[in-house]
Amino acid sequence: SQKIEQNSEALNIQEGKTATLTCNYTNYSPAYLQWYRQDPGRGPVFLLLIRENEKEKRKERLKVTFDTTLKQSLFHITASQPADSATYLCALPANSGYALNFGKGTSLLVTP
Amino acid sequence: GAVVSQHPSRVICKSGTSVKIECRSLDFQATTMFWYRQFPKKSLMLMATSNEGSKATYEQGVEKDKFLINHASLTLSTLTVTSAHPEDSSFYICSARSGIEQFFGPGTRLTVL
Repeated sequence: SQKIEQNSEALNIQEGKTATLTCNYTNYSPAYLQWYRQDPGRGPVFLLLIRENEKEKRKERLKVTFDTTLKQSLFHITASQPADSATYLCALPANSGYALNFGKGTSLLVTP
Repeated sequence: GAVVSQHPSRVICKSGTSVKIECRSLDFQATTMFWYRQFPKKSLMLMATSNEGSKATYEQGVEKDKFLINHASLTLSTLTVTSAHPEDSSFYICSARSGIEQFFGPGTRLTVL
């Protein structure tokens, strides 16, 4: 069966450091992968989409890599700030249409 | 960016009643919307795909007679939880597709007493 694993439930880092979150998947051949941010009691907010033919994508302090051989995506937040504290979700397209399957998420806490 | 709204944001109802949740794409048209539910400390689980002008497609294990979906226009999909029971208490989130990107609503917290 298809699985999406975000292998760190929680990650605590100090302000200013780089946070690196991991998403591994099995039994998928995704055309793209997405990362979302979710704050408590709120819906997910789209951050980045990376396609299978792209190795890396950047947006401001965010960087995503996509290794289809390793079946892994890494999500980096550089110069992290306490405001970056949230749960980050990795999502892959479901078999049917454009629906998404989500990982359980990694809760990031950035302390001053 | 694309904005999706949900209404209500929070609802408390008695067991046996029906609750309707609205999902609107505010600044774009969406032929396809999705409904997810999320339990505490769990990830989002896809419930159904809502297609404008046609019947919704439900995921395995989701009762279509319990969770009625109507997608009557390109900017509105509704989810009605019929005869709600305490086990239906959850966080319901909709999303609207724009190309291959999805934009999510803020969610609706349903509590069934």
